[in-house]
Amino acid sequence: GAVVSQHPSRVICKSGTSVKIECRSLDFQATTMFWYRQFPKKSLMLMATSNEGSKATYEQGVEKDKFLINHASLTLSTLTVTSAHPEDSSFYICSARLAGGFSHEQYFGPGTRLTVT
Amino acid sequence: QKEVEQDPGPLSVPEGAIVSLNCTYSNSAFQYFMWYRQYSRKGPELLMYTYSSGNKEDGRFTAQVDKSSKYISLFIRDSQPSDSATYLCAALLYKTSYDKVIFGPGTSLSVIP
Repeated sequence: GAVVSQHPSRVICKSGTSVKIECRSLDFQATTMFWYRQFPKKSLMLMATSNEGSKATYEQGVEKDKFLINHASLTLSTLTVTSAHPEDSSFYICSARLAGGFSHEQYFGPGTRLTVT
Repeated sequence: QKEVEQDPGPLSVPEGAIVSLNCTYSNSAFQYFMWYRQYSRKGPELLMYTYSSGNKEDGRFTAQVDKSSKYISLFIRDSQPSDSATYLCAALLYKTSYDKVIFGPGTSLSVIP
């Protein structure tokens, strides 16, 4: 079945640096990918919706200049956290939707744990 | 008021018990309702989804939706230790220009052998 990978699974970076997280759909093409952030014991919060070949749509309150999203191919989307600060530490999860499917047909990656020191 | 509310638990049951997980939602425009299972440090996995009011069964899992009361439930029969995870309910808001999934905070379940 549909498999989504994320890399890295865990990253520690210093405050002020940038970090790139990759999300890949391994066995299907995904015209749409979603980026979520999850705090402990909290809901997944949608950050942005990424469509292949076009600009991402960010949710209210998410800084697009801080969280750069690129969806250059049908199998790869990247999230870059720029000038990271400790408050950006979180669990970031991507998901990919099968082409032509509804959002409930999304397949999630295993997540990336970001720690900013 | 949050759009999808869920008791975070934790919920602890003995192996073989019937588990009932519940959520409420506030937006009448939600069209699909989903249950995801998330193991520790992993991404969510879709268990079931339903569109209309009523029951949907898949093996040991039954999803129930009551749109009149805005209430959704997941029942797990003959619970197993491998069912220990966080269960997220979610609802899909569909509009012509986009669709979006709203998640509840999840209920942590432990099934004790």
